[in-house]
Amino acid sequence: EAQVTQNPRYLITVTGKKLTVTCSQNMNHEYMSWYRQDPGLGLRQIYYSMNVEVTDKGDVPEGYKVSRKEKRNFPLILESPSPNQTSLYFCASINTGDTEAFFGQGTRLTVV
Amino acid sequence: DAKTTQPPSMDCAEGRAANLPCNHSTISGNEYVYWYRQIHSQGPQYIIHGLKNNETNEMASLIITEDRKSSTLILPHATLRDTAVYYCIVRHILTGGGNKLTFGTGTQLKVEL
Repeated sequence: EAQVTQNPRYLITVTGKKLTVTCSQNMNHEYMSWYRQDPGLGLRQIYYSMNVEVTDKGDVPEGYKVSRKEKRNFPLILESPSPNQTSLYFCASINTGDTEAFFGQGTRLTVV
Repeated sequence: DAKTTQPPSMDCAEGRAANLPCNHSTISGNEYVYWYRQIHSQGPQYIIHGLKNNETNEMASLIITEDRKSSTLILPHATLRDTAVYYCIVRHILTGGGNKLTFGTGTQLKVEL
């Protein structure tokens, strides 16, 4: 079954404690991206990757890092989380030329 | 990126057609119109897409105006399970062949008995 898997689904952490949200896809897609969703603002792109070792900033990259060492994995790293990064996060993947983006089930992060 | 404008909310009676409008007046010639929906806080789900012609699949129909400045998603027989936020998205092709989906705030569709 084609899917994008995020972990964890829920996370509560404290300010400044580094965390990583993992994202894995089993479709051999080249393009992956991270979004955050906040009330009234819709989904905003954080970072994207067009292939292994190729990443670039989206619309709201501040405070986040990503890596793409393997095609299937695209982790989101918060080196020093702050309360304004409390949000619902989605990972997505799509193949170049394909029509449908696949989204993970989301990670609800709370930073206190 | 081309922006989209959608009404914030709509209501529809179960069994009736739900017509969700979207304005994308700055769309470029090579940009597709996509529709996704999000039920509660789950990951967005693909519905349909189109470039110029009207499209239909098992979930919905997409009507795109001739000037491509607007489109309408039609759910022919809405059910309670269609209650969701519907996003109209213009698919921007990045330099190098990548894809970017720019989400707006969507339309909250409420299907009622």
